[in-house]
Formats: sequence, structure tokens, C-alpha cells
Amino acid sequence: NAGVTQTPKFRILKIGQSMTLQCTQDMNHNYMYWYRQDPGMGLKLIYYSVGAGITDKGEVPNGYNVSRSTTEDFPLRLELAAPSQTSVYFCASSSQGPQASPLHFGNGTRLTVT
Amino acid sequence: AQSVTQLGSHVSVSEGALVLLRCNYSSSVPPYLFWYVQYPNQGLQLLLKYTTGATLVKGINGFEAEFKKSETSFHLTKPSAHMSDAAEYFCAVTFLSGNTGKLIFGQGTTLQVKP
Repeated sequence: NAGVTQTPKFRILKIGQSMTLQCTQDMNHNYMYWYRQDPGMGLKLIYYSVGAGITDKGEVPNGYNVSRSTTEDFPLRLELAAPSQTSVYFCASSSQGPQASPLHFGNGTRLTVT
Repeated sequence: AQSVTQLGSHVSVSEGALVLLRCNYSSSVPPYLFWYVQYPNQGLQLLLKYTTGATLVKGINGFEAEFKKSETSFHLTKPSAHMSDAAEYFCAVTFLSGNTGKLIFGQGTTLQVKP
């Protein structure tokens, strides 16, 4: 099983550019998440989804957008990239939600905005 | 708002010594609490969780944690540290009701194990 796959692994963006971070899972999980990880700040929830067609804001949604048209895919869109969005981004999935099943994490995307 | 606070961003212990990583939560509804571990250049893995029932929960690799409602705490312990325990540890919370899909993490504690 591939689990949770994130692409790309690394990316450098210029200020004002846009990009999509891809996340796909092959476990038929309903719940999917996007987190960003900054040193000393832990993981901050950006957006999450409890099923196809349903998304909700997390703690730090500003500057990001998501969609969930299929169970497998949960792309994260950055419009007008800013230096504050330099971070490591993790996608995760869970079959029944965190109370009942663990989150499975991808290996992360390291994004630098200059 | 629901949140978790980890006391100490960096903990250093000698191999064989007790490991104690502290986590306090804030929640207006009954919480579900978790500890996740992140090894270098990897995603996170679940160590253990508290949902309901027994307040002392055991996880993988000899770790355990105790839910103390009166202290709003969920501290992680291991009697004897091993070099392989060096990693970053995250406490996390979700809720028994309301936004039950949402998982909020603390700031993380880096555990260093000295030989």
C-alpha cells in the first residue's frame, strides 16, 4: 500500500506565485487533513474534510483553499504565495476520524517562498 | 476554545532515565487525547490515545500516559529511555461532540536521549 502520498517533496516559489500541493490516499479513508509545521509551533490545522464534497476550516486557513471532489484526493491551493507560507506541509487521512482511528501522515512537502 | 499546551519545548534525559513529557488541555467538552511521535524527516505516528474508560493508557514502545481530569493533564511517561526514543512528541486533542473530525496539536517537545 502506498498510504498517503504527497507531491512535490520540495518547492521554491516566488512571492505572488500560486501552486497546488497534491495529496492522495489509497486507503479509502473518509477523513483528510492539511497541516503546516513550523519550528516551535507544532502542527497547525489548515483545512480538513470528513468526506468527499465536505471541507471545513482549521486553525490557520487564510491564504489557502481546498477541494474534495473524490475520496482519494485532497489538494491544497496556495494563491499569491507569501513568505509567511514558508513551511513544511503535511497531509493526513483517517478512516473513521481521530477518535476511532489514527491519522496516517504523508512524508511532507517543504515549501519555501522567497 | 479547545487547545493543548506542552510544557517544555526540549527535554533531555540520559539513557535509562525516566521520560516525562507534559501536556495540559483546555476543553469545554469531554476531550479525546493523543500522543503522536515524529522521527526525523518523517510524518507523525500514533503512540497512544485516551478516549473513554481507563485513565491510564499504554502505547507502543513502552510509553504510557494518564488522563487526569482534575488537573486537565495527559502527561506521557516511559520508565527507562532508550536512544531510539529521541524524536519530537506531540500531544493532540479532539472532542467527544461538536467538530469531532478536528484534531488539534500542541507545540511539540523534542526529546534528546544522552548516552
